[in-house]
Amino acid sequence: DTAVSQTPKYLVTQMGNDKSIKCEQNLGHDTMYWYKQDSKKFLKIMFSYNNKELIINETVPNRFSPKSPDKAHLNLHINSLELGDSAVYFCASSQGQAGRNEQFFGPGTRLTVL
Amino acid sequence: AQSVTQLGSHVSVSEGALVLLRCNYSSSVPPYLFWYVQYPNQGLQLLLKYTSAATLVKGINGFEAEFKKSETSFHLTKPSAHMSDAAEYFCAVSGWVYGGSQGNLIFGKGTKLSVKP
Repeated sequence: DTAVSQTPKYLVTQMGNDKSIKCEQNLGHDTMYWYKQDSKKFLKIMFSYNNKELIINETVPNRFSPKSPDKAHLNLHINSLELGDSAVYFCASSQGQAGRNEQFFGPGTRLTVL
Repeated sequence: AQSVTQLGSHVSVSEGALVLLRCNYSSSVPPYLFWYVQYPNQGLQLLLKYTSAATLVKGINGFEAEFKKSETSFHLTKPSAHMSDAAEYFCAVSGWVYGGSQGNLIFGKGTKLSVKP
């Protein structure tokens, strides 16, 4: 009965490969997010979707492509992986996008690019 | 644009001592402010939030924070530290402004809290 789940938890891959991270929330929320946490623990927004529509797309290489098949899912596909993509990626969800409501975070996916 | 500054990347206290983690914000509008905690190898968990109601906000695990507009601060405190409080703490401000759509969180760089026996 995990609120926000991500798969896989760990992902180790070679440079140049393509990989996907999946996120699902069972809270009935209408807004989902992807955040990236770098090696210094700094967290930054990458994307935000509201009702399956892209709301936020920060300065992220177009090798990163989010996909939201429905309100409960927001997947992240990464093409041509680079060393600098190594990080922990967190999915989150909230009800509404007005920013006053709690965001619930998944456990994270630790991506290591070799 | 909204931003958050956390003073002190690492704070160490003794068990039973006062915990004080500092956060200052910058916002062009009345802010929504949050404190999240991250335990090792886990996701983030909300401790407390300020959304323009009471300026003294109580959260989980005995933590509280006071919103001070004059000082643009939202410091996190706990009267008596416990070993289980050792974690990374993040202050965040909502990127949302009235009429806008960006409800993402803008995080500070985090403060690692260590608790000595």
